Formats: sequence, structure tokens, C-alpha cells
Amino acid sequence: GAVVSQHPSWVICKSGTSVKIECRSLDFQATTMFWYRQFPKQSLMLMATSNEGSKATYEQGVEKDKFLINHASLTLSTLTVTSAHPEDSSFYICSARDSVRDEQYFGPGTRLTVT
Amino acid sequence: GNSVTQMEGPVTLSEEAFLTINCTYTATGYPSLFWYVQYPGEGLQLLLKATKADDKGSNKGFEATYRKETTSFHLEKGSVQVSDSAVYFCALDSNSGGGADGLTFGKGTHLIIQP
Repeated sequence: GAVVSQHPSWVICKSGTSVKIECRSLDFQATTMFWYRQFPKQSLMLMATSNEGSKATYEQGVEKDKFLINHASLTLSTLTVTSAHPEDSSFYICSARDSVRDEQYFGPGTRLTVT
Repeated sequence: GNSVTQMEGPVTLSEEAFLTINCTYTATGYPSLFWYVQYPGEGLQLLLKATKADDKGSNKGFEATYRKETTSFHLEKGSVQVSDSAVYFCALDSNSGGGADGLTFGKGTHLIIQP
């Protein structure tokens, strides 16, 4: 089946620093990838839609200057959390849409802890 | 806007018991409906889906029927196993963005099956 990977699986960073999370579709091309955020015992909340070769579309309330998204190729999207604060600590999950199968495949998630 | 409501967990059952996890939704138009499962330490996996009213999705003994009249998509399994222990998410795709929309998730239901 289709596989989506995320790197790193967990990261700890200090307040004020930036951290980059990668999302890769390993065996299919994805013109569209999505970034979600999941709080403990909460649902996944869509943050933004990442489109290859164009700007990301952010959901209402998500700061685009804080959460930078780059979809540089058909198999890679990156999420950079800039000037991280403790309240940015969360579980970040990406998904990639396989247009051939018309299905979204999810990565295993990245646990971010900001100290 | 779109929303998904599913029963709160944890749900604890004995092996071979009958399972129902309720899910209702609010959406405009004709959404597609999904159940995803997340095993400990792993990413979300699609369990089953239905794309139009009265469709029944099924996989691994799980079933869910798209009921437009009650806006529901309840998950059922006749005889659960310990290996079914996981978190189950109900989700919808509004289908309004030509395949480029993210999913709207419920909060997830933690299922615990005891031997």
C-alpha cells in the first residue's frame, strides 16, 4: 500500500528556535498534501493544504508566517514552525493525496515539544 | 461549517463482544465518510469508507452504512478481538474542493478489548 513518512518522529526544541518537519510520499506522487495538528485526546485539526508548486492554503486561525509550508516536489512537503513557543507543542500529522487512488494516506506523525 | 461527532471513549469490551461506535456529521452537499484507525505508535490507516447515501463500507469485519436521513455513519463489528484495540476516528470529506480538501475529523474513540 501507499506509504507516507515523516521526519523526525519526535523533536524537542527551545523557545524561539525553528524546527522543520518533513513529509514524504514514498511510492506515489502527491500534488496535494495536508498538515494536521492533534492535541491530546482531541481530533485532528486541519492546519493547511500544501500544493506542489504553489502557495499553501491555510485554515482560518492558523498563522501562515509561523507555520511555513513548502511543497517543493511531488513527494515532499515541509512544515517549519518558526520562533517556537511552548504552546506550539503538539502532534503534527501530514497526509498525502494519491490522485490515482483518490485517497489520503497519513504519516505516522511528529511529536514536537518546545521547552 | 462541517463537523463530526463521535462517542467519547474509552470503550472497553470483552473479546467476541458486539461493537458499535456512533458517529454523526454535519455537512453541506454530499460528503464522503470515512473511518480511520490508529494503532499505538502508528499513523492513521483507512479502515473503510462510503461515498454516497446508503453505501456500506466494510473491511476486516467492520461495517458502516452511510445514512443521510440520520446523518450518521456508525461503525459496527460483530465479534471484536484484542487486536482491534486502537483509536478509531470518523471523518468526512466535503467533496467541494475537487479532491483538494482536507478531512474533518471526530475526536476519536479509544477502544480497549480485554481477553
